[in-house]
Amino acid sequence: DVKVTQSSRYLVKRTGEKVFLECVQDMDHENMFWYRQDPGLGLRLIYFSYDVKMKEKGDIPEGYSVSREKKERFSLILESASTNQTSMYLCASSRSWGRLYGYTFGSGTRLTVV
Amino acid sequence: AQRVTQPEKLLSVFKGAPVELKCNYSYSGSPELFWYVQYSRQRLQLLLRHISRESIKGFTADLNKGETSFHLKKPFAQEEDSAMYYCASQEETSGSRLTFGEGTQLTVNP
Repeated sequence: DVKVTQSSRYLVKRTGEKVFLECVQDMDHENMFWYRQDPGLGLRLIYFSYDVKMKEKGDIPEGYSVSREKKERFSLILESASTNQTSMYLCASSRSWGRLYGYTFGSGTRLTVV
Repeated sequence: AQRVTQPEKLLSVFKGAPVELKCNYSYSGSPELFWYVQYSRQRLQLLLRHISRESIKGFTADLNKGETSFHLKKPFAQEEDSAMYYCASQEETSGSRLTFGEGTQLTVNP
């Protein structure tokens, strides 16, 4: 029944490492999103994609990049991890008319940068 | 840019009491509005959406365009309602991207 899968539930990385967070959806959704979730700040949009090889910056893209080579997979890349990127990362997907149906979320990846 | 505000980070009520989680949005157009819920150790999931005019698990939400609010209400809270609740809005011009509020942690005490 799982529709959006994030490859890791917990990750611990060192400062300066390049980090890849993977997300796969099996619903043939056009749109995919990466958010970070922090207490008191809610969910903040990092990057999103409306189609393969397309990407758009969200509200907090600095220090991140993304890759979408296939429709079902959307990767978040931390080029050089820093301690302020310690957070819960949530992937989501939706139909192109997501305005009506909302998002389906993954279970999240809790990243700790030490 | 659109903004969603949930003024209460924490809300605690007793079982059987009414509960209202507040949400205000800052957009003069006609956004689509949603409530999402995250129970302990579970993924974030859609609770209800304004366009459906639905009631889910006894919760309802009314859009007040004059006050730009979309408060979530339930007349009799249950212990299993304890969770983190997020309000979210989607502008007409923003495609499918959602803007979320800060979240409200609801605790229903026995």
